[in-house]
Amino acid sequence: GESVGLHLPTLSVQEGDNSIINCAYSNSASDYFIWYKQESGKGPQFIIDIRSNMDKRQGQRVTVLLNKTVKHLSLQIAATQPGDSAVYFCAESPYGGATNKLIFGTGTLLAVQP
Amino acid sequence: EAQVTQNPRYLITVTGKKLTVTCSQNMNHEYMSWYRQDPGLGLRQIYYSMNVEVTDKGDVPEGYKVSRKEKRNFPLILESPSPNQTSLYFCASSLSGRVGDSRVYGYTFGSGTRLTVV
Repeated sequence: GESVGLHLPTLSVQEGDNSIINCAYSNSASDYFIWYKQESGKGPQFIIDIRSNMDKRQGQRVTVLLNKTVKHLSLQIAATQPGDSAVYFCAESPYGGATNKLIFGTGTLLAVQP
Repeated sequence: EAQVTQNPRYLITVTGKKLTVTCSQNMNHEYMSWYRQDPGLGLRQIYYSMNVEVTDKGDVPEGYKVSRKEKRNFPLILESPSPNQTSLYFCASSLSGRVGDSRVYGYTFGSGTRLTVV
């Protein structure tokens, strides 16, 4: 079947380099953001999240940066490894008083070259 | 192991033949949702459920039905499938569906069901 990686912007990096994946979100009222990783043939997996009262959050080898002024989110992956090759999605929670609905970006394909 | 289980993983069917894709989670999550994923369009929400017997339409509900009779199960029903419903489907669950709830919002996804309608 057709891969979800087709038609996506692609970031190609060398193994060991740092990767930066960017995402522009749509709603200035969004107060919660998540990055997901989707490997071929699998469902999206949670990587890291951040709330709108923060501008940076770090995990293991990953850092998420939030710039609310320009509605921009980025995911930094340190020392990128072949196992990091996947499609990465950002998601925002845009509803201030309604349900826990997430709106997903279309994704970026990260290709790690050995 | 905490997980969301979808079945089947792959399905090829013919136009008009009713089908059900099952989804089950073992985490006692209140919130469950179905998404379809199409190239260039990302994940789009079909239906969601805040809790047992509470369901509502997402962004692309036409041609689909759901039910939530038990907390753990949230089947997706296609009464009369058409070729434009050929897609990759994901079920997801979350501890809470209420914004403002201090518990985790993030979704846990199933492994996906690739549906082809011919």
